[in-house]
Amino acid sequence: QKEVEQNSGPLSVPEGAIASLNCTYSDRGSQSFFWYRQYSGKSPELIMFIYSNGDKEDGRFTAQLNKASQYVSLLIRDSQPSDSATYLCAGRDDKIIFGKGTRLHILP
Amino acid sequence: KAGVTQTPRYLIKTRGQQVTLSCSPISGHRSVSWYQQTPGQGLQFLFEYFSETQRNKGNFPGRFSGRQFSNSRSEMNVSTLELGDSALYLCASSLEWGADTQYFGPGTRLTVL
Repeated sequence: QKEVEQNSGPLSVPEGAIASLNCTYSDRGSQSFFWYRQYSGKSPELIMFIYSNGDKEDGRFTAQLNKASQYVSLLIRDSQPSDSATYLCAGRDDKIIFGKGTRLHILP
Repeated sequence: KAGVTQTPRYLIKTRGQQVTLSCSPISGHRSVSWYQQTPGQGLQFLFEYFSETQRNKGNFPGRFSGRQFSNSRSEMNVSTLELGDSALYLCASSLEWGADTQYFGPGTRLTVL
């Protein structure tokens, strides 16, 4: 059974701090990894994707991938209250598998 | 450019009925994927269509089916509804099959009584 595991949270982070979200996956065949943000009552929206080991940065967001450890993370720098949402991690080989998400709460 | 549209937005059905949901992708996008989202199971992949052909399928029973039309619009059908089918059904469109960037529609909230 291919799985993507995330801590459900909630993860509470003070405004301005770094939020660190983690994800592990079971399928070594997964080639691409994704982070989505989903606000309550809204649809998921793609933050970024990564397929090479190492870091990928986009503005305040940095995705990190370690294929040997089957581990993906998302760092959010200078966290803002508007970052409060559920963050979904996903991995894909032939089909995409989502984790159940981590609820992030940024404390003003 | 208009986003992904899904109709209807809300639906209430009873057990044993069938339902058809519709999705219109972003103009120019040719791939449509369907997902089921529930509090217990999270977001689960149903199937992906490209060029009117199902390219991939998740682990759902045969009661769940779909199709795609020549204009890339897609429909999914659930027959013999069960209480457990109550969920948010999301459609996502992307330019091509297997593209990394996909855009989700607002979803159809299905309640089965």
